[in-house]
Amino acid sequence: QVQLQQSGPGLVKPSQTLSLTCAISGDSVSTNNAAWNWIRQSPSRGLEWLGRIYYRSKWYNDYAVSVKSRITINPDTSKNRFSLQLNSVTPEDTAVYYCVRAMDTDRFDYWGQGTLVTVSS
Amino acid sequence: QSVLTQPPSASGTPGQRVTISCSGSSSNIGSNYVYWYQHLPGTAPKLLIFRNNERPSGVPDRFSGSKSGTSASLAISGLRSEDEADYYCASWDDSLSGWVFGGGTKLTVL
Repeated sequence: QVQLQQSGPGLVKPSQTLSLTCAISGDSVSTNNAAWNWIRQSPSRGLEWLGRIYYRSKWYNDYAVSVKSRITINPDTSKNRFSLQLNSVTPEDTAVYYCVRAMDTDRFDYWGQGTLVTVSS
Repeated sequence: QSVLTQPPSASGTPGQRVTISCSGSSSNIGSNYVYWYQHLPGTAPKLLIFRNNERPSGVPDRFSGSKSGTSASLAISGLRSEDEADYYCASWDDSLSGWVFGGGTKLTVL
């Protein structure tokens, strides 16, 4: 059974960097059969895909156009986890953030527990 | 403004059949699969339908999906009170090179 455990601060100041980590159990961040995603949810914007990483003999990433200039998703193979960094945050980045596995780079089948991140001074 | 368009709300009485629509374009629904997720407040979204009309194990056959051209729909038959939730459609967008979601439909069971 795949489990994703998120960690990171729930409060970030405007203009600073939001950082979250997702620890994977029951699968490998380096698997050739999945992609590892970050998705956020807010009342005003609904579900919004932020980006993904996946390994197919080498690492690949894709990022949403809306955050492409501010986002980095990195794997940590030594600890079997992956991370999200979102720079220069504003109150509009306030949301519940989820790490999510996409099986076969396809359906989002396993989700982390969600982390409410509030951007406020 | 979401790339995929869903009605903001839908409703039905127990036992009824309801459908939720999702409209896109040739770069997403028109050329890629559609997925449906159920989101209950305070929980993580749950995969309901993948690749247009396939159900993961454990999802009741009351839930079904279909796609035609650049539109898709989710049907829920034999409506139950526990189906009250937000429903989102999703698809890969070739022009954006990313996943796109609908704005979500809040289903109320009257």
